Amino acid sequence: AQSVAQPEDQVNVAEGNPLTVKCTYSVSGNPYLFWYVQYPNRGLQFLLKYITGDNLVKGSYGFEAEFNKSQTSFHLKKPSALVSDSALYFCAVRGLQSGGSYIPTFGRGTSLIVHP
Amino acid sequence: KAGVTQTPRYLIKTRGQQVTLSCSPISGHRSVSWYQQTPGQGLQFLFEYFSETQRNKGNFPGRFSGRQFSNSRSEMNVSTLELGDSALYLCASSSRDEQYFGPGTRLTVT
Repeated sequence: AQSVAQPEDQVNVAEGNPLTVKCTYSVSGNPYLFWYVQYPNRGLQFLLKYITGDNLVKGSYGFEAEFNKSQTSFHLKKPSALVSDSALYFCAVRGLQSGGSYIPTFGRGTSLIVHP
Repeated sequence: KAGVTQTPRYLIKTRGQQVTLSCSPISGHRSVSWYQQTPGQGLQFLFEYFSETQRNKGNFPGRFSGRQFSNSRSEMNVSTLELGDSALYLCASSSRDEQYFGPGTRLTVT
C-alpha cells in the first residue's frame, strides 16, 4: 500500500541555520512527490514537486528537496532558516493504485519551529 | 487570479442530517479534489473530479459523494452525518499536478 512517513512531529532550528524536514515514502511505480506548507490560520500552499528529472528540486521561499530513489526519501531543505518559515509542513506522494487510479497520500505533517 | 474559494466556511449540523459543501476552483483549472483533515487521521483524499467526471476516489463510504459542474465548480455531499464526520474539508484545484487549496469548511456534527 502507498504510504508517506514524516518521522519527526516537530523540528526545531535556530534562525540562520540550515533546516531539514524528513520524508520517506512507499509507492508502486514512479512516484510523484510534493511538499506543502500550512501557515497558522491559512490554507495549505504548494511548495515544490518532483515528477522526473533532476533529483534536486527547487521551490518557493528558498526551499528545495532532494529525491533519493534508493532510500525512497524526499527530504525538504533550506540553507538558512527564517522565523517566518515556522509552519506545518506536509509531504505527499501520488502513485498508481491497483485499478489504475492515482491517489495522493499525505504524511502526518511536521511542525517546524524556527527560533530567533 | 482569485484563489480557491469554499463555502460555507463554518457549519454545524446534527447527526443524521446531510450537508453540501461548495468549492470554486481557480479560473482555468479543470481538476478539483476534496480532502478531509482531522487531528486523528490527518489529511485524507476523498475524490477528484476532472471535466465533470470523477477521476479518482479515496477510501470513504458511499455517504460521501461529489459532483462537478461544467464551469468546474464542485460540490461535496455527506448524507446521514455521523459525529466522526466532524472535520475540516479542503478543496483543491490543480494545474500541472500542483494543487492549490482553499481555506476549507469546518464541519461540526453534534
